Amino acid sequence: EVQLVQSGAEVKKPGESLKISCQASGYSFTTYWIAWVRQMPGKGLEWMGIIYPGDSDTKYSPSFQGQVTISADKSLNTAYLQWSSLKASDTAIYYCARPFSTTWYKPFNLWGQGTLVTVSS
Amino acid sequence: QSALTQPASVSGSPGQSITISCTGTSSDVGGYDFVSWYQQHPGKTPKVMIYDVGNRPSGVSDRFSGAKSGNTASLTISGLQAEDEADYYCSSPRSGSTSVVFGGGTKLTVL
Repeated sequence: EVQLVQSGAEVKKPGESLKISCQASGYSFTTYWIAWVRQMPGKGLEWMGIIYPGDSDTKYSPSFQGQVTISADKSLNTAYLQWSSLKASDTAIYYCARPFSTTWYKPFNLWGQGTLVTVSS
Repeated sequence: QSALTQPASVSGSPGQSITISCTGTSSDVGGYDFVSWYQQHPGKTPKVMIYDVGNRPSGVSDRFSGAKSGNTASLTISGLQAEDEADYYCSSPRSGSTSVVFGGGTKLTVL
């Protein structure tokens, strides 16, 4: 089955670091881009950035450049989203998603289940 | 970066048609024929309903259609059904920043 499975919910304090994951299965991981999308509580979707696991080419939204790091491990078929110092405003659901073709800007037809990150003192 | 502009809410009665607009600039909506539309029900992941302005993925009802004129794209849902009640988001690649931008989202209420 083609799927993206994300790591579980996290509760962290401001200033802490965090790395969440998205494991792909059922398709060639190195052939498709994988993106991260943020959805703050009760708010809309925000495209954060995207990585091509084949060569780790990464593109970031200007809004998230320098705020997060996107990476991938081909040997584990897993993409990651990480923060070095969390803020309360990072509280959100984070989705990984794959475009329906090998072109990075095509729409997503495959989504992870989402990872809820709560940052609170 | 700024989101694409969508109305916060629209509503319609069963059987009616509604249209949701998505306004951007020549750097995104107006510059590419790659506008997509997503439907998201509460607590669910988004589902793509339209891609490349007016194309429907297999399995999506033909009651959903998309169009574009200049810097504004639109999603039309005809023959409204209760199950269409959801949030809808447009998206487009954006030049300059080499990224994708979403609209702010529109809540559709079926009366």
